[in-house]
Amino acid sequence: ETGVTQTPRHLVMGMTNKKSLKCEQHLGHNAMYWYKQSAKKPLELMFVYSLEERVENNSVPSRFSPECPNSSHLFLHLHTLQPEDSALYLCASSQVLEMTAPTDFGPGTRLTVT
Amino acid sequence: KNQVEQSPQSLIILEGKNCTLQCNYTVSPFSNLRWYKQDTGRGPVSLTIMTFSENTKSNGRYTATLDADTKQSSLHITASQLSDSASYICVVSGDGGDKIIFGKGTRLHILP
Repeated sequence: ETGVTQTPRHLVMGMTNKKSLKCEQHLGHNAMYWYKQSAKKPLELMFVYSLEERVENNSVPSRFSPECPNSSHLFLHLHTLQPEDSALYLCASSQVLEMTAPTDFGPGTRLTVT
Repeated sequence: KNQVEQSPQSLIILEGKNCTLQCNYTVSPFSNLRWYKQDTGRGPVSLTIMTFSENTKSNGRYTATLDADTKQSSLHITASQLSDSASYICVVSGDGGDKIIFGKGTRLHILP
């Protein structure tokens, strides 16, 4: 788990706020992912980056905006969120982008939208 | 429709006992199946990954099996420990396209 770190671990924000989630991987991986995990639902893939290029945007609302400045860092910028966006947001990485679920996940950011 | 169904939804067993979790899928064509363990408040940790040609793989007290003909997998936990209390997630990847399907998980509680 220490290979992929996420900050903050917990975040409470109002619907008019702007905040960012940060992810850093120390594994030398080339692929990074954002997932959303809601209670009693499967993990939902949001975005995939390979070598800093976005390769998938899984029909995510524009109030979520990803940024990948280099292969080690991934951000998720949040603005004008809705209460139903409250969830655990997980960052993940893999050595390369391939047809399998990621090998390493971060601890997640627990987001509450009030 | 590609689906991954896990059962049971939750399970409670006594420490030291064995248990088996199930994962049935309809993803086709099949590429690989991965089991994760997710502790409360943490991200998933990969336990095993199996391809079409593998029908069993172990990781310590965890043994995963795969029957690609019936599209079923199981995760067997031997001599359970309190630290095994977690959610166990099955993920099936299809061969080609964008098919990586997560199950909802099985919540396992180990009682002392």
